[in-house]
Amino acid sequence: RKEVEQDPGPFNVPEGATVAFNCTYSNSASQSFFWYRQDCRKEPKLLMSVYSSGNEDGRFTAQLNRASQYISLLIRDSKLSDSATYLCVVGGGSNYKLTFGKGTLLTVNP
Amino acid sequence: GAGVSQSPSNKVTEKGKDVELRCDPISGHTALYWYRQRLGQGLEFLIYFQGNSAPDKSGLPSDRFSAERTGESVSTLTIQRTQQEDSAVYLCASSLAARTNYYGYTFGSGTRLTVV
Repeated sequence: RKEVEQDPGPFNVPEGATVAFNCTYSNSASQSFFWYRQDCRKEPKLLMSVYSSGNEDGRFTAQLNRASQYISLLIRDSKLSDSATYLCVVGGGSNYKLTFGKGTLLTVNP
Repeated sequence: GAGVSQSPSNKVTEKGKDVELRCDPISGHTALYWYRQRLGQGLEFLIYFQGNSAPDKSGLPSDRFSAERTGESVSTLTIQRTQQEDSAVYLCASSLAARTNYYGYTFGSGTRLTVV
């Protein structure tokens, strides 16, 4: 089983749509969880951390289910500018190395 | 500096030549990481430096790859006898180690290496 596994995508949605990305991780000792965004030919940038209680930042909502080892990202009212690859990222805790999923490409169409 | 700085931004080299890639982390960040991203692929961990501890080299793909870091500042990634499969974007990231679990990493804009 891969350490971090994401929906392969790609996702093509119209503007205004709601889209959800899912991710599973294999290491039950993982302690930190993030979603990163990577635009074409750019470096990954932190979108949001994911907390056990779930968290929201504007149109973006992240959820964590430790029992199922599952992370999700929901984007509401999607914009053209949301088009990017979304990376699910998991940290092991005792060291500071993060493991990245392969990413899911999202294209928001006018 | 304000961000993670990598140089050169692009490098074209002939197969068999050695290349050196440089990373200047955010000032005060004790942890520094190198990743590789081949075209259309995910991020592949290469090596991790944390303070004065021995680096975690578990991701280096072969002995042609090596990296050094001077204290808690600049790092260089060296690839000897480059091969075409080394063509990729090499990304450097840094973090305040103990805060990585809260804030993640900050990446540089990468070095795009093309081996011809």
